[in-house]
Amino acid sequence: AQKITQTQPGMFVQEKEAVTLDCTYDTSDPSYGLFWYKQPSSGEMIFLIYQGSYDQQNATEGRYSLNFQKARKSANLVISASQLGDSAMYFCAMREGGSNYKLTFGKGTLLTVNP
Amino acid sequence: DAGVIQSPRHEVTEMGQEVTLRCKPISGHNSLFWYRQTMMRGLELLIYFNNNVPIDDSGMPEDRFSAKMPNASFSTLKIQPSEPRDSAVYFCASSLGGGYTEAFFGQGTRLTVV
Repeated sequence: AQKITQTQPGMFVQEKEAVTLDCTYDTSDPSYGLFWYKQPSSGEMIFLIYQGSYDQQNATEGRYSLNFQKARKSANLVISASQLGDSAMYFCAMREGGSNYKLTFGKGTLLTVNP
Repeated sequence: DAGVIQSPRHEVTEMGQEVTLRCKPISGHNSLFWYRQTMMRGLELLIYFNNNVPIDDSGMPEDRFSAKMPNASFSTLKIQPSEPRDSAVYFCASSLGGGYTEAFFGQGTRLTVV
């Protein structure tokens, strides 16, 4: 069964606009960590942001924020003030204690920022 | 820190040949992951080590694949014999601790089996 689901294969956004990339997850473990990574066309994987399951507040890192809705098991990434350099694949990932903390990824969303 | 270092960056080999991919994790990190990325299957976790011990190898596709971590600073992923369907980008990643810390990725090895 899919642990991480990213339902948007592709998204488009205008430069300077905000965009939300969806991520839902499936776990019965009460303790887990959620991550977002960016993969530009050059291929490297870049860590963006982390949210712990017990964190009371949504994580933020610069223009990135994570809209964490625990009851709905969703961890959407919000990018504010999109820039052309934000065009990339974005992956949601999860580490669960019950799975020995292995890190599993969703299929990704390809974001294109238009000028 | 130099980050996670993978070698080679590109590898082209003929079907049936043995291929060895190498990874040097970030110093001090004690968790190491090997992933395979293809268009069809996305990012698949192949194997996960913690403190040099394989914790989960359920993602290793078949017996042709093997991975070792002889010490904290080196890991290999070997494919023997290689097949065209093994063509993919292989990533190594490491993290500090076995908990909920983020993993840092190497640049990847692009493997082409002809």
